[in-house]
Amino acid sequence: SAVISQKPSRDICQRGTSLTIQCQVDSQVTMMFWYRQQPGQSLTLIATANQGSEATYESGFVIDKFPISRPNLTFSTLTVSNMSPEDSSIYLCSVQGANTGELFFGEGSRLTVL
Amino acid sequence: KNQVEQSPQSLIILEGKNCTLQCNYTVSPFSNLRWYKQDTGRGPVSLTIMTFSENTKSNGRYTATLDADTKQSSLHITASQLSDSASYICVVSAPDYKLSFGAGTTVTVRA
Repeated sequence: SAVISQKPSRDICQRGTSLTIQCQVDSQVTMMFWYRQQPGQSLTLIATANQGSEATYESGFVIDKFPISRPNLTFSTLTVSNMSPEDSSIYLCSVQGANTGELFFGEGSRLTVL
Repeated sequence: KNQVEQSPQSLIILEGKNCTLQCNYTVSPFSNLRWYKQDTGRGPVSLTIMTFSENTKSNGRYTATLDADTKQSSLHITASQLSDSASYICVVSAPDYKLSFGAGTTVTVRA
């Protein structure tokens, strides 16, 4: 299993500002995943963070809005830029187990944009 | 249209009772199907994972079934406890590791 720590756990932000979410894993992993979970909806993959290369973004998500850093094999950050109320959501960091392919999730960062 | 549909959207049950959650999917081909439990304010935690060749998988009071022919899965909770109150998410994995998530079923267990 993997232990994933995210921070902040929650935040309330003003429109137009940016917030950076941190994700720390207790073991080295090749890929880290960032998801968004809007109220009452499925988890949606934002991007895959690869160490040593640019993140791979899913359709509908762009680097200017959600820049990602992956400085080493245990850490990643997701920034939500120029926030609007529509960005209010839970953002989840995830990694995949090497043997089973099971997904392990962080506790999530609940973001409210006013 | 989402490739993974869950029903009901929410349900309320009395402590000690059983309940069954449904997951229908259109992902094809698929590699495995997983059920996750997400407590309020927490990240999802895996309950079961089944490959296409498995029909049932249990984890304590949680039993998942899979019918790959009809593309249906269910999660049965036996003798529910207050701690079972959570959202239950069905996740289907394609062979290329692409994941499709259901919107979840919110279960509320009342004393």
